[in-house]
Amino acid sequence: ILNVEQSPQSLHVQEGDSTNFTCSFPSSNFYALHWYRWETAKSPEALFVMTLNGDEKKKGRISATLNTKEGYSYLYIKGSQPEDSATYLCASPTGANNLFFGTGTRLTVIP
Amino acid sequence: GAGVSQSPSNKVTEKGKDVELRCDPISGHTALYWYRQSLGQGLEFLIYFQGNSAPDKSGLPSDRFSAERTGGSVSTLTIQRTQQEDSAVYLCASSRAPRSGAGGGETQYFGPGTRLLVL
Repeated sequence: ILNVEQSPQSLHVQEGDSTNFTCSFPSSNFYALHWYRWETAKSPEALFVMTLNGDEKKKGRISATLNTKEGYSYLYIKGSQPEDSATYLCASPTGANNLFFGTGTRLTVIP
Repeated sequence: GAGVSQSPSNKVTEKGKDVELRCDPISGHTALYWYRQSLGQGLEFLIYFQGNSAPDKSGLPSDRFSAERTGGSVSTLTIQRTQQEDSAVYLCASSRAPRSGAGGGETQYFGPGTRLLVL
């Protein structure tokens, strides 16, 4: 079992605010770190797969950083919009076949 | 192209009945995964198929759960003698063949899920 933890569990921000949340994972035997966005009544959507320490990825207003030595990744959203409201999941494989998911950060952007 | 599809989208069944959930992966994806999310829980890995290799069944919670993948494409997850604790959203995902033999490094593309309710 891999302990992938996310914080906070839920977050409410005003439209236009920037926000960030954290994913922590065991730093030993690191293989990859995935971020997904899961909107209500839709499929989880892949945002990033990150593998290198210090890696930073960006997709529009969303970006993520990775620190494999200390075992954490941050997801940032700049200028939050109501359509960003979703649950953001991170996951890490063990090097075997499955992804261990965190319980997610549920983001609500208030117009 | 078409994404991952799952059927049925919703299923209500009585305790003790068997159910079958179907997943059609993205064409050309050799890896297929089943997960479930119970109320208030995170996504839980169930089973992984890669090509013609023996599936990784390490996540199946009991012997009432089984899955098969025919012809390297469509997969069926079967739950026998359903229990109320089996109520969950069952998600299927597919990906390209993992480069290093392990399935965790490739982006997984998820289907819309099957919402199972066992009364």
